[in-house]
Amino acid sequence: AQKITQTQPGMFVQEKEAVTLDCTYDTSDPSYGLFWYKQPSSGEMIFLIYQGSYDQQNATEGRYSLNFQKARKSANLVISASQLGDSAMYFCALKAAGNKLTFGGGTRVLVKP
Amino acid sequence: GAGVSQSPRYKVAKRGQDVALRCDPISGHVSLFWYQQALGQGPEFLTYFQNEAQLDKSGLPSDRFFAERPEGSVSTLKIQRTQQEDSAVYLCASSLAAGTGYEKLFFGSGTQLSVL
Repeated sequence: AQKITQTQPGMFVQEKEAVTLDCTYDTSDPSYGLFWYKQPSSGEMIFLIYQGSYDQQNATEGRYSLNFQKARKSANLVISASQLGDSAMYFCALKAAGNKLTFGGGTRVLVKP
Repeated sequence: GAGVSQSPRYKVAKRGQDVALRCDPISGHVSLFWYQQALGQGPEFLTYFQNEAQLDKSGLPSDRFFAERPEGSVSTLKIQRTQQEDSAVYLCASSLAAGTGYEKLFFGSGTQLSVL
């Protein structure tokens, strides 16, 4: 079975600063993928970034980067230069065997001006 | 349309009523997923279609839940004899490809179901 754990229920971050959202996972499959999604108050899940288990380098997408530590089974999301529009729920998700995503409980981020 | 469309956006049902939630995936997307998201929690997998075939329904919480995708495009999630614990946001997602590997899911805005 796959499991995703996000231990930070909520975080405040000052505008223009960086923030790190924690995510740990558990799977016995050697091949898997890790995703981060953003969910604003509108409800839609917006894809941010992906990391494959065999990828040699940490993924980056604009202001988003993923700190992938395979031995520790962690895939933390780093948002640099936070903007007010970054205020939302953030979900880490795992896809291993099969074709479904397993989501964590989420972290709510509030960016302060 | 350009994205995944779900209707209705909000649904209020009396306990015991049957409801039907609709999902229009992105045109040409092979895979379609339904998720249930309770308030303050992450989405929980319900079921998965590849074209018209329902390949995984392991997440459906009871036999009151039924999903179909008869022509491999639009999907309907039906809940019979709704209970208060069914109150949640129901998210639909689609992806272009089938099978495992990296496939970005595109989500709709969801249907918020409230059972009174």
